[in-house]
Amino acid sequence: EPEVTQTPSHQVTQMGQEVILRCVPISNHLYFYWYRQILGQKVEFLVSFYNNEISEKSEIFDDQFSVERPDGSNFTLKIRSTKLEDSAMYFCASSEGGIYGYTFGSGTRLTVV
Amino acid sequence: GESVGLHLPTLSVQEGDNSIINCAYSNSASDYFIWYKQESGKGPQFIIDIRSNMDKRQGQRVTVLLNKTVKHLSLQIAATQPGDSAVYFCAENRAGDYKLSFGAGTTVTVRA
Repeated sequence: EPEVTQTPSHQVTQMGQEVILRCVPISNHLYFYWYRQILGQKVEFLVSFYNNEISEKSEIFDDQFSVERPDGSNFTLKIRSTKLEDSAMYFCASSEGGIYGYTFGSGTRLTVV
Repeated sequence: GESVGLHLPTLSVQEGDNSIINCAYSNSASDYFIWYKQESGKGPQFIIDIRSNMDKRQGQRVTVLLNKTVKHLSLQIAATQPGDSAVYFCAENRAGDYKLSFGAGTTVTVRA
């Protein structure tokens, strides 16, 4: 069964450092997303990406965040200068057509110290 | 405000019994609902979905019920097994929107 792959599974970084979280969406999917989940809380939408541009973003997704699809297979989330409160699980998702076939990856646990 | 939420944060169930997990939503514009299962250290895994033009949908051992009158969604798991122990989230989607809004989650623990 096709899956969304995320790397690394765990990342520890010092406050103020830049991090890049990587995702390989399902190959025939056209819509890409990032969500985050702070420990013990619900999953929150960050950003959606379609046709090489951001289609929607939440208020969490401020100027410290950016996304990129550098090639035909990867989808990345960059946090420019990490803060302690950025510590969370970050999930990548992709879908084939809007809401259809929505599939989540296993996540990257980011710990900012 | 607009939100999707679950009634109870935890549910303890005897193995073999049926489980019912509830979710309330407040946005009448929502027209698509999904139940996800999340096991420890993993991402949300699709269980079953339902559109607002339906009130019931069945899958393998799972049934989702939608009551649009009271904006209530439930997930029924038949003959609960130890492998069903996880956090369950409902999520909703509004027409024309591609993001999902998640509820707070219910932790289901299956007792042997």
